[in-house]
Amino acid sequence: EVVLTQSPGTLSLSAGERATLSCRASQSVSSSYSAWYQQKPGQAPRLLIYGASNRATGIPDRFSGSGSGTDYTLTISRLEPEDSAVYYCQQYDYSTRLTFGGGTKVEIK
Amino acid sequence: EVQLVESGGGLVKPGGSLRLSCAASGFTFSSYRMNWVRQAPGMGLEWVSFISDTNNKIDYADSVKGRFTISRDNAKNSLYLQMNSLRAEDTAVYYCAREDTSGWFYQDNWGQGTLVTVSS
Repeated sequence: EVVLTQSPGTLSLSAGERATLSCRASQSVSSSYSAWYQQKPGQAPRLLIYGASNRATGIPDRFSGSGSGTDYTLTISRLEPEDSAVYYCQQYDYSTRLTFGGGTKVEIK
Repeated sequence: EVQLVESGGGLVKPGGSLRLSCAASGFTFSSYRMNWVRQAPGMGLEWVSFISDTNNKIDYADSVKGRFTISRDNAKNSLYLQMNSLRAEDTAVYYCAREDTSGWFYQDNWGQGTLVTVSS
């Protein structure tokens, strides 16, 4: 069973700053199966990144993803106020199908 | 426009049952695999169940296996989750999510969710 650990738990930054969110898997996973979602309060999750580094339709280019093996990263290059949300990473594995990380809350000061 | 609209949530006593529905529109429902994902209050996302496009593959999280049943009706563009023997820990917002056809297992569209509360 793959366990995903996201860090930090909360990230508090100012608008215009760079945010780096980490997702570490308990075992090596395929980068093709790595995704990131954004969830704002009272809303459903929204797909941001799939296949570790591909932006979903309509996602601004300030969002980027990278990683392989056990370590994956979501970077927001220049934070906007509307980026305040919780971000979840997701992986697929054969035993537990879909696994989500615990989330990173991004706060804009 | 892709739309997924869940319904059927509500307050139910422990041991009770509920049937959730997800009405799909704006795409060819029969071509997509679907999942149910839940989120307990103040908590993260938890995958619940999966069904293939043609109904020939179904999977469940261990936490709901034997109690929940996923199904779909492609003629009605609808996804269902029959939940029996409900427990307090099943209290959550339940989302239906569409899985992309690429085989990369990401969820490209989500419904707005329906709240299930299990309490006496």
